[in-house]
Amino acid sequence: DAGVTQTPRHEVAEKGQTIILKCEPVSGHNDLFWYRQTKIQGLELLSYFRSKSLMEDGGAFKDRFKAEMLNSSFSTLKIQPTEPKDSAVYLCASSLNWGGPETLYFGSGTRLTVL
Amino acid sequence: GQQVQQSPASLVLQEGENAELQCNFSTSLNSMQWFYQRPGGSLVSLFYNPSGTKHSGRLTSTTVIKERRSSLHISSSQTTDSGTYLCALGYGSSGNKLIFGIGTLLSVKP
Repeated sequence: DAGVTQTPRHEVAEKGQTIILKCEPVSGHNDLFWYRQTKIQGLELLSYFRSKSLMEDGGAFKDRFKAEMLNSSFSTLKIQPTEPKDSAVYLCASSLNWGGPETLYFGSGTRLTVL
Repeated sequence: GQQVQQSPASLVLQEGENAELQCNFSTSLNSMQWFYQRPGGSLVSLFYNPSGTKHSGRLTSTTVIKERRSSLHISSSQTTDSGTYLCALGYGSSGNKLIFGIGTLLSVKP
């Protein structure tokens, strides 16, 4: 089975631009997560979907970050407008939610640089 | 304050030495996972271990719930063990939402 696939691997944006990051979860997984990783803050949860329904939208990240899950096999994270402080690695992860805790599988991430 | 604290922040070993990585959490947990991340790479799950001790090759994870801590022991370290080790505390009704520690950066020298 394919793992979690994220595209693009790298993205460079000018301040104020709109960027869209993409994620394909492991086939059959019900839970999908978007995280942001920086050296200072570590991993921060941006969004959490269960069976395509948005369960958590990351509080402080709500205003310029919007995650969507168009179908069970595809999710996007839009950042609009981008700011230099958004430079980070954005990670998508999925797990099979059968009602209890499950191992999380991560994609390779998208490294975003905002100039 | 931080709900998940890892120590040490970084560790340098000679190949063959053992390592003990610690994870302390300030809240009750539904689940605990350990992950490994190679520089520039993705996170790979090492252990899902909400309680007790689990073994996988040269790795051993021990979680003691009442003491709110989990540890990862690496025996006979190898240069390929170099990277960042992160622990994550699960919360929410199913324990699938994770709060991560900042990680321990391990460097194993030949």
